[in-house]
Amino acid sequence: DAGVIQSPRHEVTEMGQEVTLRCKLISGHNSLFWYRQTMMRGLELLIYFNNNVPIDDSGMPEDRFSAKMPNASFSTLKIQPSEPRDSAVYFCASSLSTKGELFFGEGSRLTVL
Amino acid sequence: TQLLEQSPQFLSIQEGENLTVYCNSSSVFSSLQWYRQEPGEGPVLLVTVVTGGEVKKLKRLTFQFGDARKDSSLHITAAQPGDTGLYLCAQRNTGGFKTIFGAGTRLFVKA
Repeated sequence: DAGVIQSPRHEVTEMGQEVTLRCKLISGHNSLFWYRQTMMRGLELLIYFNNNVPIDDSGMPEDRFSAKMPNASFSTLKIQPSEPRDSAVYFCASSLSTKGELFFGEGSRLTVL
Repeated sequence: TQLLEQSPQFLSIQEGENLTVYCNSSSVFSSLQWYRQEPGEGPVLLVTVVTGGEVKKLKRLTFQFGDARKDSSLHITAAQPGDTGLYLCAQRNTGGFKTIFGAGTRLFVKA
């Protein structure tokens, strides 16, 4: 079975550009999490959804960040406009809400110049 | 939000040595998870501990949950280069889905 699929794996962009990161959940999972990982701050929870509904977005840094789940199997994280301090690895993870285990994708490494 | 503190931050040892890493909080955990993350990949769940005093073993890895459920440890016996990675503890909030991670212990096992 396919795991969580993220794209792109790597993105290099210039400050001010829009960035869209994509995530496909594991079939049957109903919870979706977006995390950001840096050496300085570790793995930070940005936002999570349950049954397509955003439950907690308190970790979203600023209004420049937005996340959507247009359907039960797909999510996007958008940064507009991007800034150098947004450079990080962005992970998507999915789970069954009744279970505790998170299944992570391989991450999207974002570099904003 | 409960803060998870992990120690040490970094550990470099020789193959065959034993080691212990720790995860602590000032508050009580409802349950606690340990994940391992290898370079270029996402974290992968190793174990979940729920009951105070619980001990779980996974081959050469032994996980312990403190009696008061405020701390946990991971002990690795006879470490191997394949154990190299970032070890993260995580807590899931009671009745919810939110999972918060500690900063991790970065382990390097030299052959």
